[in-house]
Amino acid sequence: GNSVTQMEGPVTLSEEAFLTINCTYTATGYPSLFWYVQYPGEGLQLLLKATKADDKGSNKGFEATYRKETTSFHLEKGSVQVSDSAVYFCALSTLGWGAQKLVFGQGTRLTINP
Amino acid sequence: KAGVTQTPRYLIKTRGQQVTLSCSPISGHRSVSWYQQTPGQGLQFLFEYFSETQRNKGNFPGRFSGRQFSNSRSEMNVSTLELGDSALYLCASSRRHEEGQGYREQYFGPGTRLTVT
Repeated sequence: GNSVTQMEGPVTLSEEAFLTINCTYTATGYPSLFWYVQYPGEGLQLLLKATKADDKGSNKGFEATYRKETTSFHLEKGSVQVSDSAVYFCALSTLGWGAQKLVFGQGTRLTINP
Repeated sequence: KAGVTQTPRYLIKTRGQQVTLSCSPISGHRSVSWYQQTPGQGLQFLFEYFSETQRNKGNFPGRFSGRQFSNSRSEMNVSTLELGDSALYLCASSRRHEEGQGYREQYFGPGTRLTVT
């Protein structure tokens, strides 16, 4: 079956540090890949997405590249801010009939200290 | 444009009771999906409704059920509650118009926090 594996947290960084959160996946077919962010007390917000191999998703300084050869979709940001503190989820969805379903990784809690 | 709304936001029930949670999707969205979030199991797909019909179902027991109304609003019901049902239940809506068009971005509500004692 389809699955997503994220690096375990929590991750604690200082402001302006470089961020990488690893994500690898297993899927049949050609999945779309996503990063979602969850701030305390809120639901999930889509951060970025990529729908085919070699696509790069980007938003708010975050980037992730869909690497089919390594089945990975690592999240990166060059300089994190305190406001980036949240839980980050990597997810996939396989295209096709009736495929309105997301499979999530376990989530990585990120804390940025000033 | 109003986002996805879920009611109630917090709920406390005792074992054996049943509960109904409500989700109102973004206007124009016809697909509603439900997810359960727990510290141990993470985020897991429960089911998806589109045009008042269940289109996908996750691996949950029959105690978990749902329905969708003609205005796309959805409810999920959990009967005979167990302690392990304590979770954040998230609803997501999307603009899927026809089955088979592939993935459409899902917009999540704030969730209903259910505590079973």
